[in-house]
Amino acid sequence: EPEVTQTPSHQVTQMGQEVILRCVPISNHLYFYWYRQILGQKVEFLVSFYNNEISEKSEIFDDQFSVERPDGSNFTLKIRSTKLEDSAMYFCASTQGSTDTQYFGPGTRLTVL
Amino acid sequence: AQKVTQAQTEISVVEKEDVTLDCVYETRDTTYYLFWYKQPPSGELVFLIRRNSFDEQNEISGRYSWNFQKSTSSFNFTITASQVVDSAVYFCALRNPSGFQKLVFGTGTRLLVSP
Repeated sequence: EPEVTQTPSHQVTQMGQEVILRCVPISNHLYFYWYRQILGQKVEFLVSFYNNEISEKSEIFDDQFSVERPDGSNFTLKIRSTKLEDSAMYFCASTQGSTDTQYFGPGTRLTVL
Repeated sequence: AQKVTQAQTEISVVEKEDVTLDCVYETRDTTYYLFWYKQPPSGELVFLIRRNSFDEQNEISGRYSWNFQKSTSSFNFTITASQVVDSAVYFCALRNPSGFQKLVFGTGTRLLVSP
């Protein structure tokens, strides 16, 4: 069964460093999402992406964040200058149509020291 | 504004007990979608079920059942004869049909099933 994959599973970085989190959505999906879950808290929407552009973003998704689909398979989230409060689990999700169910990847745990 | 409330922070049961996880939602939309996801200790989010607002029929899948009631804006999830493997955090989520349909999650209910 096709699934969303994410790499790395765990990333440790120093405050102020740039990180890139990678996702490979399900191959025939067209809508892509990033969500964040701070430890012990609920899952929060960050950004949605369709047709090579951001379609919606939350207040969390400020200028330090960017997303890109550099090729036909990868979908990346970049944090330019990480802060301690960026420590969280980051989930990628994808869906074929905008009304379909979003399937999530296993997540990347980001730890900012 | 959309909101999902899961008032039960944590529930502990003994194996084979039935347990119901509550979910109450708020939305101004007449068409919307409701979901349940399971997050086991390994951390991934596993899709369990999706319901459309125009389909109030309850659903059963094995030991899992869902009770959707528009009149009370609730979408409750029952596990019958719980097992240790059911131990996880369960999230209820809401999505409206406008825009690009982000999910709005509740705060989750941690279910602990002991042997």
